[in-house]
Amino acid sequence: GESVGLHLPTLSVQEGDNSIINCAYSNSASDYFIWYKQESGKGPQFIIDIRSNMDKRQGQRVTVLLNKTVKHLSLQIAATQPGDSAVYFCADRGGSRDDKIIFGKGTRLHILP
Amino acid sequence: NAGVTQTPKFQVLKTGQSMTLQCAQDMNHNSMYWYRQDPGMGLRLIYYSASEGTTDKGEVPNGYNVSRLNKREFSLRLESAAPSQTSVYFCASSWGAVGNQPQHFGDGTRLSIL
Repeated sequence: GESVGLHLPTLSVQEGDNSIINCAYSNSASDYFIWYKQESGKGPQFIIDIRSNMDKRQGQRVTVLLNKTVKHLSLQIAATQPGDSAVYFCADRGGSRDDKIIFGKGTRLHILP
Repeated sequence: NAGVTQTPKFQVLKTGQSMTLQCAQDMNHNSMYWYRQDPGMGLRLIYYSASEGTTDKGEVPNGYNVSRLNKREFSLRLESAAPSQTSVYFCASSWGAVGNQPQHFGDGTRLSIL
């Protein structure tokens, strides 16, 4: 698979505001996208996923948007809380059931009091 | 329900020593994976196993071997540790075919090679 990257390595957001974490992917054949959250000293934790036949998917306080035209993925977190402080990874699969999932380098979300 | 359990949590080795990292999952998942995570590099796939008895190379397999002992357990072995293998190692599992579902991760093994 091709690389998955992120626009910003660090994002600082005021507590209570909405957070938007962006991700660009390069493989136009990618058909499955996942967001993970990693807290310090822990393994990545699944947040939400989306397949390429969808543009938007919502979970509890989170929304993932997929723009296949510009190969862009975003994670929106509503009413950011201190517990949202973590590194967020996007990951994609290259378009085949046998393709592995490739991770981006991560964005650190810092919550300001 | 423990999910994915990795042992040990921390280990220090000398160059040339061998070591096996253990991983077990209790979710009846078919697919299991080993990743390494280095600062600024994200997670890179070392090996994966689509089912019991099968293993395949990922992005960075050199210097490692794996064994899918049964459906629950997937071990990673360093035969002759090198300083470049200092990293945090994560085991993960997923339901169904490789790459088709989100992965569940353990909390990692922090390995230092001196």
